[in-house]
Amino acid sequence: AQKVTQAQTEISVVEKEDVTLDCVYETRDTTYYLFWYKQPPSGELVFLIRRNSFDEQNEISGRYSWNFQKSTSSFNFTITASQVVDSAVYFCALSEIMNYGGSQGNLIFGKGTKLSVKP
Amino acid sequence: NAGVTQTPKFQVLKTGQSMTLQCAQDMNHEYMSWYRQDPGMGLRLIHYSVGAGITDQGEVPNGYNVSRSTTEDFPLRLLSAAPSQTSVYFCASSYGSGHLSPLHFGNGTRLTVT
Repeated sequence: AQKVTQAQTEISVVEKEDVTLDCVYETRDTTYYLFWYKQPPSGELVFLIRRNSFDEQNEISGRYSWNFQKSTSSFNFTITASQVVDSAVYFCALSEIMNYGGSQGNLIFGKGTKLSVKP
Repeated sequence: NAGVTQTPKFQVLKTGQSMTLQCAQDMNHEYMSWYRQDPGMGLRLIHYSVGAGITDQGEVPNGYNVSRSTTEDFPLRLLSAAPSQTSVYFCASSYGSGHLSPLHFGNGTRLTVT
């Protein structure tokens, strides 16, 4: 069965520290997609990144970077030089295919990691 | 550009009452879904739809009903509210399938059942 584990329930850092949010997944699918979403205190859910299982290159976007390692089934998210505005709950999600052809599916979410960045 | 619109934002129900949470999207997305968010539980899928006239159950469907008569609308019905249904509900939509494209979320409905 598909499963996403975010073992870190809450993390607290001081501004400008680097922080890594862990995501470990289990899947029966040979092709799959991984996502990260951000939920700031205002409550909306914001898409950050999508990665497919064939692309193991790390990705960097400004202060954000993602490390995808198939060998360890992990898709970790690092924020460099954290800022107060990074305070949010971050969710990792995994695709779940619902039909044999792979054309239909849903997202399975982890339980989230609450990041607090203090000034 | 409205995106995904959920109404109401807040709702208080008594046990046994029924109600409908509304969800509409204006992006012509085929895929729509409902999630509930509970503390320490993340987001759990209730029901989803891959197109008008097609719906299916997610991880936690009991006590909820859905229909998809148009591409734009995907209402979630609580048949007989229970305190265990106190939660924040999010509607989402995406282009194509729900597992390949990023989900666009509504702003959520906070429901309290007393």
